[in-house]
Amino acid sequence: AQSVTQLGSHVSVSEGALVLLRCNYSSSVPPYLFWYVQYPNQGLQLLLKYTSAATLVKGINGFEAEFKKSETSFHLTKPSAHMSDAAEYFCAVIRGSSGSARQLTFGSGTQLTVLP
Amino acid sequence: EAEVAQSPRYKITEKSQAVAFWCDPISGHATLYWYRQILGQGPELLVQFQDESVVDDSQLPKDRFSAERLKGVDSTLKIQPAELGDSAMYLCASSWTNTGELFFGEGSRLTVL
Repeated sequence: AQSVTQLGSHVSVSEGALVLLRCNYSSSVPPYLFWYVQYPNQGLQLLLKYTSAATLVKGINGFEAEFKKSETSFHLTKPSAHMSDAAEYFCAVIRGSSGSARQLTFGSGTQLTVLP
Repeated sequence: EAEVAQSPRYKITEKSQAVAFWCDPISGHATLYWYRQILGQGPELLVQFQDESVVDDSQLPKDRFSAERLKGVDSTLKIQPAELGDSAMYLCASSWTNTGELFFGEGSRLTVL
């Protein structure tokens, strides 16, 4: 079964520093991969998605992620952290073969803290 | 901007009581999902609807949980009786197609005492 593993449940960076949130996937076929963000007491919002069109994917709020098949990774990065980036970030993968039975499966999340 | 509406935002109940959550997806979204998110964890799928039909409810504890989407629009998730371990955020999401691009509501936070 397809799944994702997020390395590091908590990450702290200084404002203006590089943000790197790690995600590795296990899949026997090329997956569809996603990053979602969740602000406190809110639902999740899609940041970006990989659907095999391009290995470097750009998302909202200056985030991007690179699909690396050789490393089975889909790490999320942002060159310069802003205080408003403090949130929980979830990596996710499509699970299931096809059609309406396909489902989104989430990792356990990484809480990002941005220090002034 | 269209949003997924959920109510109530917060619910406190005692164990053994009945609880119900309501979700109104974005207009035109055929697929509707109910996820449960325990504090500090990622969301876990409880049930998925395609229009009014259940596509997957394999992770739904059917002895106490039920979900319906009678007219293929809004949906209700019910828990009866509630247990202490049911304390969590219940998230509803919808999508046009099943490509992983989900639109989430703000969630309903349940506390069972």
